[in-house]
Amino acid sequence: KNQVEQSPQSLIILEGKNCTLQCNYTVSPFSNLRWYKQDTGRGPVSLTIMTFSENTKSNGRYTATLDADTKQSSLHITASQLSDSASYICVVRAGGYNKLIFGAGTRLAVHP
Amino acid sequence: DTGVSQDPRHKITKRGQNVTFRCDPISEHNRLYWYRQTLGQGPEFLTYFQNEAQLEKSRLLSDRFSAERPKGSFSTLEIQRTEQGDSAMYLCASSFSLDSSYNEQFFGPGTRLTVL
Repeated sequence: KNQVEQSPQSLIILEGKNCTLQCNYTVSPFSNLRWYKQDTGRGPVSLTIMTFSENTKSNGRYTATLDADTKQSSLHITASQLSDSASYICVVRAGGYNKLIFGAGTRLAVHP
Repeated sequence: DTGVSQDPRHKITKRGQNVTFRCDPISEHNRLYWYRQTLGQGPEFLTYFQNEAQLEKSRLLSDRFSAERPKGSFSTLEIQRTEQGDSAMYLCASSFSLDSSYNEQFFGPGTRLTVL
């Protein structure tokens, strides 16, 4: 069964600190993996997209890594800001399919 | 604003009533998707269109749900005889099918449905 699991479920950090969110997937065949940021009451916004040949991709203070062998990805947020408070969702696209498989998300709260 | 738009943003209805939501995709995108998201969960796929053709429907899409995209542009999602379990955020996304292997989907702001 195609699944995407994220950890932790929720996380609280202080402004300025770094954090890392984890994503494990069992999706086959693998096409690409995305990280989305979703503010409360809004639609998800794409942060990064990686195919199996890409190990790391950055978008400003966000850096995603992908290990296709262990089927793990991480999203590292550097120097967190209050505006980083949101849910971060890991999404995997299975090859040949047009639908995406979503994780439940990690809810991040950045406190001053 | 050239992003995906959805209308209404919020809908409160009584159980048993019918509701209809609209999604306007990014103009050059030929694929359109509907998702449902409940609190604390990621979005769940409901259905998708390529142009005006509905190519896939999830088993989550019961007989009370129907989606259309009559001219290959905007789409509507109708829920008949709403139930309290239908309360959720309904998200629409669009993409361009020839966008290499990424086929990135751009999401709208969602319609939050509350069934009383």
